[in-house]
Amino acid sequence: SQQGEEDPQALSIQEGENATMNCSYKTSINNLQWYRQNSGRGLVHLILIRSNEREKHSGRLRVTLDTSKKSSSLLITASRAADTASYFCATDSYSGGYQKVTFGIGTKLQVIP
Amino acid sequence: DGGITQSPKYLFRKEGQNVTLSCEQNLNHDAMYWYRQDPGQGLRLIYYSQIVNDFQKGDIAEGYSVSREKKESFPLTVTSAQKNPTAFYLCASKVGTSSQETQYFGPGTRLLVL
Repeated sequence: SQQGEEDPQALSIQEGENATMNCSYKTSINNLQWYRQNSGRGLVHLILIRSNEREKHSGRLRVTLDTSKKSSSLLITASRAADTASYFCATDSYSGGYQKVTFGIGTKLQVIP
Repeated sequence: DGGITQSPKYLFRKEGQNVTLSCEQNLNHDAMYWYRQDPGQGLRLIYYSQIVNDFQKGDIAEGYSVSREKKESFPLTVTSAQKNPTAFYLCASKVGTSSQETQYFGPGTRLLVL
C-alpha cells in the first residue's frame, strides 16, 4: 500500500451519524495532516497532528495518531450534508535529504440529508 | 483579500502544444508547490520551490517545467513531452519549509487535451 493510504475509499452515511476515516502510512513522520476537498476545488487544511501527539480536536473533528501502528483516524461527529467531500491525509517526513509531503488517495464521504 | 489564485480554471491543449498554468499568491509565502491530481487519486508532487530563483523536481517532473522569478508567482509549463497531461493541477504555498506549517491550496486548473 502507498504512503498515506485512506480507508475506506468511499463512505455513505445519514446526516447526524458519525463518519470515521482511517489513514495508514509506512515511514516515520514528523506530522500528519488531514485535508478536505470539495468536488473540483482545491484542498482545505483541517487539522495537523504532530508525531508526539496522540489526539487532537477541532470543532466536530477528532483526529487520533498511533505511531506504533503507523495509522491515523479522522472522526467527524454529527455529520451534515455540507460535510460531503473527499478527505485526504498527508504525511510529512524527511526523504532523500528534503522534506516530503505525501498525500493519500482519499476517502470520498457522502452525507445523505 | 489574501490568498492563492490559479488561472485559468479550464485549459485546453492541442497535441504538441506547450501550455502554461498560472499560480499567484499574496500571502508572502516563501515555498510554493505544484501537484497533479488524477481522478480518484491523491496528489502527486511535480515541482516545488523553497525560495525565489530556486526550485526542485518532485516525483513526476518529466514533461513539466517551472520558474520562480518572483516570490508571488510560480508558473507551471506543461510541455509537449508530457504525453498524458489531462489532469487537475493544484498549486500550493507555505510560509516556509518547516514541517509544522500547513499548505494553502489554490482552486486548481483542469487541463484537457483536444
